[in-house]
Amino acid sequence: AQKVTQAQTEISVVEKEDVTLDCVYETRDTTYYLFWYKQPPSGELVFLIRRNSFDEQNEISGRYSWNFQKSTSSFNFTITASQVVDSAVYFCALIGLYAGGTSYGKLTFGQGTILTVHP
Amino acid sequence: NAGVTQTPKFRVLKTGQSMTLLCAQDMNHEYMYWYRQDPGMGLRLIHYSVGEGTTAKGEVPDGYNVSRLKKQNFLLGLESAAPSQTSVYFCASSWTGGLMNTEAFFGQGTRLTVV
Repeated sequence: AQKVTQAQTEISVVEKEDVTLDCVYETRDTTYYLFWYKQPPSGELVFLIRRNSFDEQNEISGRYSWNFQKSTSSFNFTITASQVVDSAVYFCALIGLYAGGTSYGKLTFGQGTILTVHP
Repeated sequence: NAGVTQTPKFRVLKTGQSMTLLCAQDMNHEYMYWYRQDPGMGLRLIHYSVGEGTTAKGEVPDGYNVSRLKKQNFLLGLESAAPSQTSVYFCASSWTGGLMNTEAFFGQGTRLTVV
């Protein structure tokens, strides 16, 4: 069974603060993909990043950065100099590829972290 | 290019009523999914389909049925709605489920309330 845990239910920061959203995952699959999605107040799900299990390089995209560590089964997301527009629910998710087979693209989501950025 | 479109966007049902949620994608994707989102639980997979004419159960399939008669459409049915099915429902599609998988494309969601 796969599991994704986002221990932070809610985070509140003031604009321009840096904030890190934690994600810890469990899977027995040796090949897997990790994702982050953003759900703004309007409700749609916005894809942010996909990372496969063979690539532990950290990634930076503008104010966003991701730290993938297989040794701790974590895939944390940092927003630098947060802005009010970053206020949203953020989901970490996992697709595990069964040995010799396929996951059929089924996503296992974490519980989500509600981020509120105050002006 | 519309992507993934869900119909309707909002619905209120009385307990025991039935309804069908429609998901349509125009990207020629093989795989389609229905998830439900509940507070504090993230999104959970209800049913999915790996191609026209196929369906399979996900994590929380009870109380729901699905059909994929056409590749571009994936229908989610509630035969006898219960208050526990009050949720936001998301449809998604993806090209494949294997190593070449791209990210799933999600619809805008359907907010269903059962009273």
